[in-house]
Amino acid sequence: ETGVTQTPRHLVMGMTNKKSLKCEQHLGHNAMYWYKQSAKKPLELMFVYSLEERVENNSVPSRFSPECPNSSHLFLHLHTLQPEDSALYLCASSQVRTSGYNEQFFGPGTRLTVL
Amino acid sequence: DQQVKQNSPSLSVQEGRISILNCDYTNSMFDYFLWYKKYPAEGPTFLISISSIKDKNEDGRFTVFLNKSAKHLSLHIVPSQPGDSAVYFCAATSQGGSEKLVFGKGTKLTVNP
Repeated sequence: ETGVTQTPRHLVMGMTNKKSLKCEQHLGHNAMYWYKQSAKKPLELMFVYSLEERVENNSVPSRFSPECPNSSHLFLHLHTLQPEDSALYLCASSQVRTSGYNEQFFGPGTRLTVL
Repeated sequence: DQQVKQNSPSLSVQEGRISILNCDYTNSMFDYFLWYKKYPAEGPTFLISISSIKDKNEDGRFTVFLNKSAKHLSLHIVPSQPGDSAVYFCAATSQGGSEKLVFGKGTKLTVNP
């Protein structure tokens, strides 16, 4: 595997279900991100993990729970979601340095549908 | 309030001609700008970037121009090819260590053969 991978690619769940999205990066990066892309909206940053510590949480409802067990893996645990949570969920990674900028590399996304 | 705006949701050009995609931003703290390209069923892929200390960056057929006074940047693709058909996202960030990117809504480019 290369780059950033995400599983599953598609997920349909009921509002009472519990499911998890998985992301793995094979780039040796030290930061990982979850984004949400809804129709006709910009990509919205949800969570940032840098060096396995959560450094950003953009007022995301508690029904979304991230987990970063190591620098290569990132999970998004889903519980009692609402239909408006249906969206494309994108994972990304980057190498954070003390100066300069680095582009983020994205996975293919998980298309989530909440019934 | 959107800090990064791509006001054209779509653009259609003929193969071989120039494609110009525009992006405006409101936050004067932004000092680094990126363009991403996204094909259906794939994640965004990095295309080109520019730092606020420059006003132009070129990479092959792709050139990004930055006008800081107008808080405006544009991506030029010359010549356009059918394979360039995709959604293009503009993103901006500021130095500060959070690596937080703010994205526009995207512009869907269609290059007709």
